[in-house]
Amino acid sequence: GEDVEQSLFLSVREGDSSVINCTYTDSSSTYLYWYKQEPGAGLQLLTYIFSNMDMKQDQRLTVLLNKKDKHLSLRIADTQTGDSAIYFCAESRPSGGYQKVTFGTGTKLQVIP
Amino acid sequence: DADVTQTPRNRITKTGKRIMLECSQTKGHDRMYWYRQDPGLGLRLIYYSFDVKDINKGEISDGYSVSRQAQAKFSLSLESAIPNQTALYFCATSDMGTSDEQFFGPGTRLTVL
Repeated sequence: GEDVEQSLFLSVREGDSSVINCTYTDSSSTYLYWYKQEPGAGLQLLTYIFSNMDMKQDQRLTVLLNKKDKHLSLRIADTQTGDSAIYFCAESRPSGGYQKVTFGTGTKLQVIP
Repeated sequence: DADVTQTPRNRITKTGKRIMLECSQTKGHDRMYWYRQDPGLGLRLIYYSFDVKDINKGEISDGYSVSRQAQAKFSLSLESAIPNQTALYFCATSDMGTSDEQFFGPGTRLTVL
């Protein structure tokens, strides 16, 4: 089966780094994603990593993938109040001729000024 | 203008009523999806469609039906609404590209009394 798990809540102080963790169960994942959901809005893709990579950096965002442990993390450097949102981990894998995407439960990031 | 739009944005209805949620997209994508979001449960897939003639059930399709009226339009119906269908509903689209990124609408908040 496929499960994607995240802790529900994270609180950090403005200026600190945030690390949001995710574990998944399916070893055939092709892509792993981080989506951001701001209040009252839909999800928006932040970044993604191909399963044969172990790290991807994009400005303040660093994604680490440990395929052996099926663990994905998102590090946000110098966290700002505008980073307060729900962050969803997701993975896609081949299933019946298409890429099936499974979302995690979401981690609510609260940034304290 | 938003690429993926949903109507209505908010709806309150009574048990037993028929409800239709509509989704339109201007991205030209073939693939469209309906999800529901519940606190602590993340996003769960209700139905998905890869083109006008292709409709598939997701993990929680019971109590729902869909119609793909055109490439750009995908509607979700609750034939006889019940209170546990109270949730935030999202439409999404994707293209058969390299990363399977999904583009989300702003959501419809549905309350069934």
